[in-house]
Amino acid sequence: QLQLQESGPGLVKPSETLSLTCTVSGGSISSSSYYWGWLRQPPGKGLEWIGTIYYRGSTYYNPSLKSRVTISVDTSKNQFSLKLSSVTAADTAVYYCARRGILPSPFDPWGQGTLVTVSS
Amino acid sequence: QSVLTQPPSASGTPGQRVTISCSGSSSNIGSNTVNWYQQFPGTAPKLLIYSNNQRPSGVPDRFSGSKSGTSASLAISGLQSEDEADYYCAAWDDSLNGWVFGGGTKLTVL
Repeated sequence: QLQLQESGPGLVKPSETLSLTCTVSGGSISSSSYYWGWLRQPPGKGLEWIGTIYYRGSTYYNPSLKSRVTISVDTSKNQFSLKLSSVTAADTAVYYCARRGILPSPFDPWGQGTLVTVSS
Repeated sequence: QSVLTQPPSASGTPGQRVTISCSGSSSNIGSNTVNWYQQFPGTAPKLLIYSNNQRPSGVPDRFSGSKSGTSASLAISGLQSEDEADYYCAAWDDSLNGWVFGGGTKLTVL
C-alpha cells in the first residue's frame, strides 16, 4: 500500500525559504505511470495546487507561485522535495504531497500533511 | 477567490439526499473531468469521485457525481452522520495550465 510522508521544519521566518520533503513508501517514485505533487491548505481555507513533478524531472507549477517554487526528485531515496522562497505569512498552511496518474487523474493518495507556519 | 465555485455550506437530515454544486468555465469543467474530495477536520483530503462519476474502491454507492457543461454536482443519498465533512471539487484548467479547486462545502448533518 502506497504511503507518502511529509517532513521538514514547522516554522520558517519571513523572507526565508520553506523546504519540505515527501518520502514515498510501498511503491517506486520512478514508476512511469505517475506524477508526484505538492498542494497546500491555509488554516480554515481551501486547497491550492503548488506543482507536480515526473520522476525524470519534468515539472509543472501553479502560475501564481511559479517564480518562487522549485520541486525536485531524488529517485535514489524515493523522495521528492519542495522549496518555496521568499515566504510571507500568507504561505502559512498545511502542505500535502500526493500522487496522481499520468492521464488526467486525481491526486490519490495524499500524505497526512504538515503544518508550516511563517513567523518571526 | 477559488476558480471553481461551491456553496460554502450544505445541510440535511439523516436519510435525506443532498447535492453539492461546483461551477466552473469552459477552460476547466467544460473541457476536463471533475474530481471530488472528502475531508474530515485535521485529516488529509480523500478521493471520493474521479472522472466526473467514478467511485474509487471502498467508496459507498451513496456517493455519486455528475457533470453537465461547465458545472458538476456531488450527490449523497441516504445521508449519514459520518458524512459530515468538507467536500471539494477539482479539475484541470487549460487556460491556467494547472489544477484548480473549489472553495469547499461544509456539509452538516442535522
